[in-house]
Amino acid sequence: GDSVTQMEGPVTLSEEAFLTINCTYTATGYPSLFWYVQYPGEGLQLLLKATKADDKGSNKGFEATYRKETTSFHLEKGSVQVSDSAVYFCALSPYSGGGADGLTFGKGTHLIIQP
Amino acid sequence: NAGVTQTPKFRILKIGQSMTLQCTQDMNHNYMYWYRQDPGMGLKLIYYSVGAGITDKGEVPNGYNVSRSTTEDFPLRLELAAPSQTSVYFCASGGGNQPQHFGDGTRLSIL
Repeated sequence: GDSVTQMEGPVTLSEEAFLTINCTYTATGYPSLFWYVQYPGEGLQLLLKATKADDKGSNKGFEATYRKETTSFHLEKGSVQVSDSAVYFCALSPYSGGGADGLTFGKGTHLIIQP
Repeated sequence: NAGVTQTPKFRILKIGQSMTLQCTQDMNHNYMYWYRQDPGMGLKLIYYSVGAGITDKGEVPNGYNVSRSTTEDFPLRLELAAPSQTSVYFCASGGGNQPQHFGDGTRLSIL
């Protein structure tokens, strides 16, 4: 079945550092890929998405590129802030458009940004 | 715009008790989902629905039941609570061509 693997945390960085959170996936067909963020005590919020190979999703300074050749969707940000501290989840949907199946999630990466 | 609303936010149950977790969405989404999140793990799909009157099992459906009588509501029922069902439960709507939108979760403890 489908699966998502993301780097273990916690990841601790200083403010203004460069961030990379690795995510790789296994899926048949042409999945859509997502990054969700979860702040303490809250639900998941969509951060960005990509629906086909070579698409780049971006939002709030975060970026991720859908790489089919390496089955990866790594999350990057050039300069992190304390407010970026949260848990980040990589997820896939088995369909590039349409389809009702639920998302398959990675285990999450806890990011801690120190001032 | 409320989005996805879950109640209650917290609950403690005794083993063998039953309860219903409520979920309502106001975005007119056809697809709705229930996930559980265990510590250090990603979310696992329990049940989902593609529209009123239609539900289907996800990855971890045992011990749960759902119904979908309206587009807006998708309650999750635990009939005989067990300690293994201690978790945080998230309802979501969307899917298909739309990203999934999540509620704030229900933290459930079974003692």
